[in-house]
Amino acid sequence: DTGVSQDPRHKITKRGQNVTFRCDPISEHNRLYWYRQTLGQGPEFLTYFQNEAQLEKSRLLSDRFSAERPKGSFSTLEIQRTEQGDSAMYLCASSLGVSPNEQFFGPGTRLTVL
Amino acid sequence: AQSVTQLGSHVSVSEGALVLLRCNYSSSVPPYLFWYVQYPNQGLQLLLKYTSAATLVKGINGFEAEFKKSETSFHLTKPSAHMSDAAEYFCAVSVQGAQKLVFGQGTRLTINP
Repeated sequence: DTGVSQDPRHKITKRGQNVTFRCDPISEHNRLYWYRQTLGQGPEFLTYFQNEAQLEKSRLLSDRFSAERPKGSFSTLEIQRTEQGDSAMYLCASSLGVSPNEQFFGPGTRLTVL
Repeated sequence: AQSVTQLGSHVSVSEGALVLLRCNYSSSVPPYLFWYVQYPNQGLQLLLKYTSAATLVKGINGFEAEFKKSETSFHLTKPSAHMSDAAEYFCAVSVQGAQKLVFGQGTRLTINP
């Protein structure tokens, strides 16, 4: 097992464009999380899935953001009509879902919106 | 709701000196506490975790942390700093039944030769 992977690692886009990121969790993990990290800050929770069901969404996840995990394996995070304020590192994590819910993080996707 | 405060956004120590990174938490129920390390342009790697089994927790790379309920603290220490310890360190809290981790703002550790 190679851990959590994310693609792409870097994305530069122009304001108003749509972007999509992919996360592949550790294979036996049924829970998958998305976090956003801005410069100089700690990661902030966006949303999480248990298998294919999206069970919690943060108020940070505006209606321009949508996340899916269609078959309970990989997940995608799409941002529509990107804004400069969306520039951040988007981190994916996965876990077995058993307390204390230790989460394993991927390398992140760094988004720059020009 | 849980929260974490990391005192000191930037800590600088000499190689071989003691490393002390401070973390205070707030939680109305017994917490789970974590320390993660982040190297430049990389994701987060778990250093250690507190799950109520023992108050002194040993982690990877020679780090350890002590849970002090009376002080609501979970400070990270290492007796002797190495150059390779230079990174950003994050303290995080969770509770049983919760899914998300709540992170502090991070502490950037610089090691001086």
